[in-house]
Amino acid sequence: DSGVTQTPKHLITATGQRVTLRCSPRSGDLSVYWYQQSLDQGLQFLIQYYNGEERAKGNILERFSAQQFPDLHSELNLSSLELGDSALYFCASSDRGREETQYFGPGTRLLVL
Amino acid sequence: DAKTTQPPSMDCAEGRAANLPCNHSTISGNEYVYWYRQIHSQGPQYIIHGLKNNETNEMASLIITEDRKSSTLILPHATLRDTAVYYCIVRGPTGANNLFFGTGTRLTVIP
Repeated sequence: DSGVTQTPKHLITATGQRVTLRCSPRSGDLSVYWYQQSLDQGLQFLIQYYNGEERAKGNILERFSAQQFPDLHSELNLSSLELGDSALYFCASSDRGREETQYFGPGTRLLVL
Repeated sequence: DAKTTQPPSMDCAEGRAANLPCNHSTISGNEYVYWYRQIHSQGPQYIIHGLKNNETNEMASLIITEDRKSSTLILPHATLRDTAVYYCIVRGPTGANNLFFGTGTRLTVIP
């Protein structure tokens, strides 16, 4: 158990819909990262937040957005969903000053039909 | 961050040492080598990291060559639960904090 929690574990929705994925980092970790893992793309970095502020952006689509709240939990919002958005979405957190050592949650499996 | 090259797959007999190689010939002086693994669709798990000295922890050992152009992750006594995809990642202390996961090595531990 990494200490990072993600909800929901599974999500099935239809094209064009919007969903929100939630992540709670390990206690005390200020950084939260979102990664997407699809069959054809592997694990890809989407976005990082540090203490409520966006720190880095990766291959995140404009239809996707994220935020980190004052209690440090984070939400990833996916809108206008397409079939190709079906993937595993992982959240990770890290301690200040040790950001290369990231602790991953169990992931949310999203299926867009 | 330097690129890494890993074999796509390896097998190892249960109870034997698993030696997973990684080439990172373009590594620069301040870049670390990190190893993560992912067990069947679970979240990736940190294993170990090092700069130039060999490192050991409760999970594995990391051997980095003197020229730092390659490294080997050693699982001393592989078990069936070590079957996973192992990722070798090289990154420096500055720059983007995200991890770049390549294709990794799929290790299968055989009973």
